[in-house]
Amino acid sequence: GESVGLHLPTLSVQEGDNSIINCAYSNSASDYFIWYKQESGKGPQFIIDIRSNMDKRQGQRVTVLLNKTVKHLSLQIAATQPGDSAVYFCADLGGSNYKLTFGKGTLLTVNP
Amino acid sequence: NAGVTQTPKFRILKIGQSMTLQCTQDMNHNYMYWYRQDPGMGLKLIYYSVGAGITDKGEVPNGYNVSRSTTEDFPLRLELAAPSQTSVYFCASSGDGKVGGSYQATSTDTQYFGPGTRLTVL
Repeated sequence: GESVGLHLPTLSVQEGDNSIINCAYSNSASDYFIWYKQESGKGPQFIIDIRSNMDKRQGQRVTVLLNKTVKHLSLQIAATQPGDSAVYFCADLGGSNYKLTFGKGTLLTVNP
Repeated sequence: NAGVTQTPKFRILKIGQSMTLQCTQDMNHNYMYWYRQDPGMGLKLIYYSVGAGITDKGEVPNGYNVSRSTTEDFPLRLELAAPSQTSVYFCASSGDGKVGGSYQATSTDTQYFGPGTRLTVL
């Protein structure tokens, strides 16, 4: 079936380094993608989104890249800080306008 | 705005008991959702609603029921609790994706999540 998945379940980086979290999707009808951050004991928090008519979008210290040819999505976090430690989920709207499909998540650990 | 609020934060149930998880949003969002998140996993959609009086099944609806009598509230009901329903439950809401007054079939507002309810069924 169609799914959104993540390449790596865990990622450990040094404080100040850049982090890259990857995500693959399989539904060619997906046209809206979101990255969420989930800290321990809390609900998912919106980070950044991108629509399929774009290949790059930047926020504050975060950049999302979308490669529709290979159905790949990535989240780049610049100058990673200890407060960035969390589980990061990608999610997509696979042709629907309100039913998100979530991947399993990547645990990002930032070492001081 | 308080955003999306959920009660209770924690609950322990015995097998066969029933309970209602409450969810309220004050953002005047039409769309509301219930997800469950099992340990180390992503979120799975249980039920969703596109407006008051309208509900529909998501990916894992069995064992749950919902109602949407008002725009603000979207309670989730467990009638006969089972150990398989041990999970963290998240409620979310989003806008209706209208752009310039016209509904866009592929646009939506971001889903905003509540803090979650941790449910254990023993």
